[in-house]
Amino acid sequence: NAGVTQTPKFRILKIGQSMTLQCTQDMNHNYMYWYRQDPGMGLKLIYYSVGAGITDKGEVPNGYNVSRSTTEDFPLRLELAAPSQTSVYFCASSYSSPLGRGVNTEAFFGQGTRLTVV
Amino acid sequence: TQLLEQSPQFLSIQEGENLTVYCNSSSVFSSLQWYRQEPGEGPVLLVTVVTGGEVKKLKRLTFQFGDARKDSSLHITAAQPGDTGLYLCAGAYDYKLSFGAGTTVTVRA
Repeated sequence: NAGVTQTPKFRILKIGQSMTLQCTQDMNHNYMYWYRQDPGMGLKLIYYSVGAGITDKGEVPNGYNVSRSTTEDFPLRLELAAPSQTSVYFCASSYSSPLGRGVNTEAFFGQGTRLTVV
Repeated sequence: TQLLEQSPQFLSIQEGENLTVYCNSSSVFSSLQWYRQEPGEGPVLLVTVVTGGEVKKLKRLTFQFGDARKDSSLHITAAQPGDTGLYLCAGAYDYKLSFGAGTTVTVRA
């Protein structure tokens, strides 16, 4: 019963390095999201996807890229890491659109990736 | 700019006291969700409210959706140390699920 799995759990990057945060879900969910969480700031949406092959920007997309080649996987790419990208990153998925009136709209979250850029 | 405003940001109370957390917006939502997050974990859904004026109860937690579907509240009766955590409200616009900044609740034994 894996749900949403994120790897790695922790990572330290040097300024200018790049990396990919992996996210996979085994619930056959159409909707997937990437959020970052900074202290006292709640969750900010980076990118989201409504299905394989379809992605769109959220509130804070600059410095990130995503792809969705399969229903299961939604990796987040950081190019040229900057200290401002130090954060905890969460991947989430849901079966239905969050616009749906409560039916199958629950977002399931991974355990997060704590990233530090030095 | 936060689409959903939560208040207060922090709340520290003694075990057995009651508390209320608010989630407000100028936008109308088809539904609002409340999540709870513990340190080192991802948020977990507590409830979804759908109908304006709706009240849902989950043991000692009572959730209310405003009549105009722009605001919601979470009330905890006789809080226990196990209620400690970050409480987040979330609403959808377009196909995006947007979260408030959260309320950190600490219940002292």
